[in-house]
Amino acid sequence: AQSVTQLGSHVSVSEGALVLLRCNYSSSVPPYLFWYVQYPNQGLQLLLKYTSAATLVKGINGFEAEFKKSETSFHLTKPSAHMRDAAEYFCAVSDGGGSNYKLTFGKGTLLTVNP
Amino acid sequence: EAQVTQNPRYLITVTGKKLTVTCSQNMNHEYMSWYRQDPGLGLRQIYYSMNVEVTDKGDVPEGYKVSRKEKRNFPLILESPSPNQTSLYFCASRGGQGRDGYTFGSGTRLTVV
Repeated sequence: AQSVTQLGSHVSVSEGALVLLRCNYSSSVPPYLFWYVQYPNQGLQLLLKYTSAATLVKGINGFEAEFKKSETSFHLTKPSAHMRDAAEYFCAVSDGGGSNYKLTFGKGTLLTVNP
Repeated sequence: EAQVTQNPRYLITVTGKKLTVTCSQNMNHEYMSWYRQDPGLGLRQIYYSMNVEVTDKGDVPEGYKVSRKEKRNFPLILESPSPNQTSLYFCASRGGQGRDGYTFGSGTRLTVV
């Protein structure tokens, strides 16, 4: 069974600082990996996805993530945090097994950006 | 605009009173799914549907029903809601295969008292 672990339920950074949100996954087959962002009182918006092409994936709003198979990781980074980045971030894996292609989510990381 | 539309956005109901949360997508997606989101637990899949008249259980299906009579609609039915079903619910759809990711609705916040 696939699973996702997000290290740190809450990350706090200063505006302009590096953002690093950690995600490790387990999957029995090559996975598809996703990062979603949820702003307060809104649904989930796709930030970026890894689908076995380039291992460094660029997404919206200046975020990027690197797929490292040897570490089973897909950490999300942004060089310089902005106040508008404050939100909850979810890492998810879809292993493509069977026909469901179910998205399995991590428990989320709440990002706070301090002025 | 491509979107998944859920209604209502907010719902307060009493234990045992049947309710339906509607979900509709305009992207001609074959696959649709329902998730619930609870603090500290992330999102968990309730039911999914691969196509019209094809539905199956996810990880937490107890107390829920779904139907898929038309491609665009995938309602979630709570026949006898209980307080432990108080949660934030999301409908999602996707096209193609797993690499496409999901498009999510805006969510329905349900409170059962």
